[in-house]
Amino acid sequence: DAGVTQSPTHLIKTRGQQVTLRCSPISGHKSVSWYQQVLGQGPQFIFQYYEKEERGRGNFPDRFSARQFPNYSSELNVNALLLGDSALYLCASSLYRQGDTQYFGPGTRLTVL
Amino acid sequence: GENVEQHPSTLSVQEGDSAVIKCTYSDSASNYFPWYKQELGKGPQLIIDIRSNVGEKKDQRIAVTLNKTAKHFSLHITETQPEDSAVYFCAPTPLGNQFYFGTGTSLTVIP
Repeated sequence: DAGVTQSPTHLIKTRGQQVTLRCSPISGHKSVSWYQQVLGQGPQFIFQYYEKEERGRGNFPDRFSARQFPNYSSELNVNALLLGDSALYLCASSLYRQGDTQYFGPGTRLTVL
Repeated sequence: GENVEQHPSTLSVQEGDSAVIKCTYSDSASNYFPWYKQELGKGPQLIIDIRSNVGEKKDQRIAVTLNKTAKHFSLHITETQPEDSAVYFCAPTPLGNQFYFGTGTSLTVIP
């Protein structure tokens, strides 16, 4: 079975630009969560989506948004990029929403210049 | 929100020795306690998890013990091998819509 997939693998943007990251969950999983991982730190929770609705949000500015599609894939959008947005963006999928095992994708490395 | 601390932040052991990493959390509502292993350039990989109604769980060389009263749980790796070298994260999870990861422990197994 395919695991969680993310695209693109790497991305370079300049300050002020916008970026869209994509995630496909494990087949049958209905929940997708997004995390930001800055070098040397643990993942920081950004969003959780379940059944196409936002179910949880971490402490991130409104420049960050996401959505989930009918096939349960998801996109994370970041507007007005800042240098501090440079990080590894991880997607995790789980069967359901609460207290369920999460399986992570390989991440998208975003560099903002 | 949940405050999660991991100790130690770095750990070096000789191949064949045991390694123990402790995770302390603050939210007494946490009821799911996973440990993740992250190798360089990869996403975190679940290696073992435990639910709040169980005190200990073992899977070959890896075990997790939980003390809910004291709000901590630990990862135990026995007979360490060089391929165990990685960063390990705990992620105590309460019922709800927020997920918190620890600060990470960098484990180095010296051949």
